[in-house]
Order: sequence, then C-alpha cells, then structure tokens
Amino acid sequence: AQSVTQLGSHVSVSEGALVLLRCNYSSSVPPYLFWYVQYPNQGLQLLLKYTTGATLVKGINGFEAEFKKSETSFHLTKPSAHMSDAAEYFCAVNAGNNRKLIWGLGTSLAVNP
Amino acid sequence: DTGVSQDPRHKITKRGQNVTFRCDPISEHNRLYWYRQTLGQGPEFLTYFQNEAQLEKSRLLSDRFSAERPKGSFSTLEIQRTEQGDSAMYLCASSLAPGETQYFGPGTRLLVL
Repeated sequence: AQSVTQLGSHVSVSEGALVLLRCNYSSSVPPYLFWYVQYPNQGLQLLLKYTTGATLVKGINGFEAEFKKSETSFHLTKPSAHMSDAAEYFCAVNAGNNRKLIWGLGTSLAVNP
Repeated sequence: DTGVSQDPRHKITKRGQNVTFRCDPISEHNRLYWYRQTLGQGPEFLTYFQNEAQLEKSRLLSDRFSAERPKGSFSTLEIQRTEQGDSAMYLCASSLAPGETQYFGPGTRLLVL
C-alpha cells in the first residue's frame, strides 16, 4: 500500500524567504511522486513530478524537489517566496498498476510581506 | 488543448435528491479519474476508467454512487439519494496513459442541505 505524509498543515514564511514543504511517502514499488498546487476556488495544478532518472526535479514558478529514496522523502523547496505563492500544496504518490494518486493532507502556505 | 472541464461548477441540493456531474477530459486521454475532496483534506480516489471500462472503484463509492464513461470520452458521476455527508468538491482528472501526469478540472462543489 502507498501513503503520503505531509509534515506541517500550515507553513508561514516571509516574502523572500526560503520555502520548504515536507513530504514523506511509503510505497512497496518504485513510486512516481508529484507536487500539486491549489489556489482558492481553483483546480489542482501540477508543479513538478518525479518518475525516473534525475532525482532533483525542477518545476514551474521556481519550485524544485529532490527525491531521496533512502529517506523516502520528496520535499518541495523554493529559494525566495513570493506573495503569489500563497496556496495549498499537495504531495501525491502514484504507484501500482492502476496508477491512481494517493494524496497527503496538504500544506497551506502563507507568505507575509 | 482546452483542458479538463467539469459541469456544473457548483450544485446545491436538498437531502434525498439525485445529482449528476459531468467531466470532459482532454481529448485523446484514455484515463479518467474521479476524486473527492472535503475541506482541509487531500483528494480521495473514487474511481477510474480506461477508455470506457471502469477498472476500479474505491470503497468510498457506496451503491448510491455510479459513474459512466459510455463512449470513452466524457464521464458522468451520479449520486442518488444525496446525504449531507456527500457535500464535497468532486474532482475529475485525465491522463494520456497510466503513470502520466493527471490533469485536473476545476471541480464541482456540492452542498447538500
């Protein structure tokens, strides 16, 4: 079975500060890992994904994440937060034959001026 | 590529009524997924289709729920005899193939009074 744990349901940073959103996963097969962002009253938008190959993946809006198999982690980072980054962020794992997404509970990111 | 669309965007109904939601995936996407998201939670998998075949249903999907994808294009999700616990955001996603990125629609927000 697969599962995702996002540490910290709410994260608050100052504009220009480092953003670090934590995600740990559990999977019995090699996982595909995803970060999605959800702005208020909008659908889920893909930020980045890891399938195979390079463990450091870059996504949209300056975000990146590193797959660390030994730590079963896929933390999301951005060097400098912008006000427009305020949103809900979800980590998801996609594994098994049906490839359905298993989601974390989400982390709400607030960016303070 | 017009993206995934869902209709309606909002639905308010009285307990006991039936409701039907529609999802139009990205054209040529073979996989179509339905998820449900309640406030403060990550999405939860409901069911998915490979073309017109419904391949898996979550235990969350009681016998009051039914989903179809008759021609392998659009899909409908029907809830019969709605209950207040059915109030949630219903999300549809499509992907080109298993393991490929799932693209989400804006969701249908259901409120059962």
